Amino acid sequence: AQTVTQSQPEMSVQEAETVTLSCTYDTSENNYYLFWYKQPPSRQMILVIRQEAYKQQNATENRFSVNFQKAAKSFSLKISDSQLGDTAMYFCAFRLGAQKLVFGQGTRLTINP
Amino acid sequence: DAGVTQSPTHLIKTRGQQVTLRCSPKSGHDTVSWYQQALGQGPQFIFQYYEEEERQRGNFPDRFSGHQFPNYSSELNVNALLLGDSALYLCASSLELREENTEAFFGQGTRLTVV
Repeated sequence: AQTVTQSQPEMSVQEAETVTLSCTYDTSENNYYLFWYKQPPSRQMILVIRQEAYKQQNATENRFSVNFQKAAKSFSLKISDSQLGDTAMYFCAFRLGAQKLVFGQGTRLTINP
Repeated sequence: DAGVTQSPTHLIKTRGQQVTLRCSPKSGHDTVSWYQQALGQGPQFIFQYYEEEERQRGNFPDRFSGHQFPNYSSELNVNALLLGDSALYLCASSLELREENTEAFFGQGTRLTVV
C-alpha cells in the first residue's frame, strides 16, 4: 500500500520569504503522479502543482516549484516570495493511474505580515 | 463554468440516523470520488464512481454507500450514524482518459456533525 508522510505539522514564515514543505512517500511502483494541494479556510482543496514520476524535470508553477527526488521518494514544495494568501493547509498526495488519491497528514502554513 | 458543487454545506444529525450528501461534478467530468476528512487530518478515500458503478473502495464499512446517476452526479449515503462519522466530506471529480484521470477538482465539502 502507498503511504505519504508530511513531517512538518506547522510552519510559519514572514511575507516575501521562501518556504519549503517536505513530503516523502512509499511505493514499489515506477509510474505514478504526485500532487500538492492547498486547503484554505474555505475548505476547498485547490491543486497547486503536479509531477509525473516519469518526468525528470521538476514542475514549476509561477512562485511554486517542487524538488522531486525519485530514488529518495521525496517530493518537496518550495514557495518563493510568499504572500499572505498562501496561508493554508498544504497536502501532499500520491496517485497511481486512475486510482485514488492518497494524502499526507498536511502542513499548516502561516504567512505573517 | 461551474466547478464541483456539493450540498448541503453543513448538516447536523443524531446518532443512528441516516444521511445523504450530494455532488455535481465539474462540467465534462465523468468520475466522482468521495473522501472523508476528519478535523486536522488529511482526506481519506471512501469510494470512486465511474459509469454509474463503484470502481474502487477504501477501508470504510458497508454503512457507507453511494450512487452515480446518468448525468454523472453522485450521492453518498451513510446509515446508522456514529459520532465518529463527524467530518468534512469532500467530493472530487475528474475525467477518465485512456485509463488515466485528469486532475481531480474538489468541491467545498459538506461538514457533517453527528450529535
